[in-house]
Amino acid sequence: EDQVTQSPEALRLQEGESSSLNCSYTVSGLRGLFWYRQDPGKGPEFLFTLYSAGEEKEKERLKATLTKKESFLHITAPKPEDSATYLCASLTDSWGKLQFGAGTQVVVTP
Amino acid sequence: DTEVTQTPKHLVMGMTNKKSLKCEQHMGHRAMYWYKQKAKKPPELMFVYSYEKLSINESVPSRFSPECPNSSLLNLHLHALQPEDSALYLCASSHLDLNTEAFFGQGTRLTVV
Repeated sequence: EDQVTQSPEALRLQEGESSSLNCSYTVSGLRGLFWYRQDPGKGPEFLFTLYSAGEEKEKERLKATLTKKESFLHITAPKPEDSATYLCASLTDSWGKLQFGAGTQVVVTP
Repeated sequence: DTEVTQTPKHLVMGMTNKKSLKCEQHMGHRAMYWYKQKAKKPPELMFVYSYEKLSINESVPSRFSPECPNSSLLNLHLHALQPEDSALYLCASSHLDLNTEAFFGQGTRLTVV
């Protein structure tokens, strides 16, 4: 059975304290691995798509990487506005059906 | 433009009411989705439409009835809902067969009383 697991469930950081979020996946036939950011009561906001092991994508303080079994989202020198829930999701079929992990809730304090 | 627009933003309905949620996108996407999200949980897929035809129904109760009138619009008709159906309902769209990202709307916060 396909599974996407995120850790930790919650992460509290001081402003400027870099850290990494983990997304491990056991799926057959990965077509894409996606990272989203979600603020409370809002829809997920797209961040990155990764397709193959070794791939890396960067945007401002965020960097996503992919291996054959997991993906990492690195947050460098976070700011309070980086506080959100970060979701990863796998795509394994041609219908666009996403399987989400449970998310990591990140709180960055000044 | 990477916007998916959902209306209304908030909806309170009684268990005997009929209401509809609406979703619109103008990105030329031919796949559209409804997801349901409960508090502190990830989104769960309900329906997939591809080329305006229902492709996937994730065993959703018949009190939820989706409709795709054209390639830009997606509706979700609600009837005889239960309080446990209260949730954030998310619409999303994506290209088909390109393995690219889905874009989500801001959701409709539904409360069933």
